[in-house]
Amino acid sequence: ETAVFQTPNYHVTQVGNEVSFNCKQTLGHDTMYWYKQDSKKLLKIMFSYNNKQLIVNETVPRRFSPQSSDKAHLNLRIKSVEPEDSAVYLCASSTRDRVNSDYTFGSGTRLLVI
Amino acid sequence: GMPVEQNPPALSLYEGAESGLRCNFSTTMKGVQWFQQNHRGRLITLFYLAQGTKENGRLKSTFNSKERYSTLHIKDAQLEDSGTYFCAVDMNYNQGKLIFGQGTKLSIKP
Repeated sequence: ETAVFQTPNYHVTQVGNEVSFNCKQTLGHDTMYWYKQDSKKLLKIMFSYNNKQLIVNETVPRRFSPQSSDKAHLNLRIKSVEPEDSAVYLCASSTRDRVNSDYTFGSGTRLLVI
Repeated sequence: GMPVEQNPPALSLYEGAESGLRCNFSTTMKGVQWFQQNHRGRLITLFYLAQGTKENGRLKSTFNSKERYSTLHIKDAQLEDSGTYFCAVDMNYNQGKLIFGQGTKLSIKP
């Protein structure tokens, strides 16, 4: 099956802990993304990687750090989570020169910080 | 203002009805994508348009870059159409960074 796979689906943790979310795509795309969807369902991009190179880094707190081992994987680490980090984190991928025609999202990781 | 404004914020339809959603853009956009987010939270691509109109079953989308808007029309609404619909644009060409509208929550009633 070709798709974007995210793990875990849900994660509950306490303030101050570190969490890590995984994302893998088997679509052969060269660009991967992390988006954050807040409680009002607003979607905002956080990071974008093309062939393991960071190309978009929006203004996000420094405790967020993306990690890419190859163009098929883009993980997201959050050091010392805070309550406002509670959200759904969506991973996506695309082909850079056809970015609008093959954009594909994963099913998301729902984070709850207590 | 917001680069992408979507309306209405919410819409309720009976099965079999039809209606349209709209996105307005603050500047000329290269293209627009429409997504449906289902009850499980997955974002499903419905359309990508660089211009004109596309149809897929009961869905039809139009993009007018000159007039800076796009529409998504749903006819013969079914229960499985319930969800939140988003339009999105790439404002930084070739970076793939999508800017999303606020979404329209669509509820289909039997």
